[in-house]
Amino acid sequence: KQEVTQIPAALSVPEGENLVLNCSFTDSAIYNLQWFRQDPGKGLTSLLLIQSSQREQTSGRLNASLDKSSGRSTLYIAASQPGDSATYLCAAGSGSARQLTFGSGTQLTVLP
Amino acid sequence: DGGITQSPKYLFRKEGQNVTLSCEQNLNHDAMYWYRQDPGQGLRLIYYSQIVNDFQKGDIAEGYSVSREKKESFPLTVTSAQKNPTAFYLCASSSRDRTNYGYTFGSGTRLTVV
Repeated sequence: KQEVTQIPAALSVPEGENLVLNCSFTDSAIYNLQWFRQDPGKGLTSLLLIQSSQREQTSGRLNASLDKSSGRSTLYIAASQPGDSATYLCAAGSGSARQLTFGSGTQLTVLP
Repeated sequence: DGGITQSPKYLFRKEGQNVTLSCEQNLNHDAMYWYRQDPGQGLRLIYYSQIVNDFQKGDIAEGYSVSREKKESFPLTVTSAQKNPTAFYLCASSSRDRTNYGYTFGSGTRLTVV
């Protein structure tokens, strides 16, 4: 059974800092890996989707990498801003329906 | 605009009562999913459906039921058999296009037992 772990559980950084969020998964037979952002009391907003054949994806200040062989993905946020404060969730897609298995998230606080 | 609509946003259930959460999508996605989120935790899969009139249990299906009579709709019923239903419920859909299995989520329904 797929298990997804995110480290750290919480992170607080000053504005402008570059930061890395980590995600690991136990079963490397994934179809894709997706990073989401969740604001308090809200649904999930998709940030980046990496297909299993890809190594990384970029969107603006965000860059996500995928290493299937080691079961790891990282989300890099450049020049962090207070508006980046949220919980970041990674999820690995596997199984016949490509169902997602989620980590518990990293709660990020960017201090002005 | 295409998207997923969940209703209601907040729902209160009395002990022993069944309640139904609505999920509608206009993205023409084949697959739909229901997840449950508890405070400080990730999402756990309740049920999923890859095609109309077919659905499968996820990791925590006990006490829940679903139907998929239309491609656009995937309602979730929380039955009285679910002993701890207070949680945030999220519906999602995805395309079965082989080049993109990215998920789209609704804004959620917060269910509270009173």
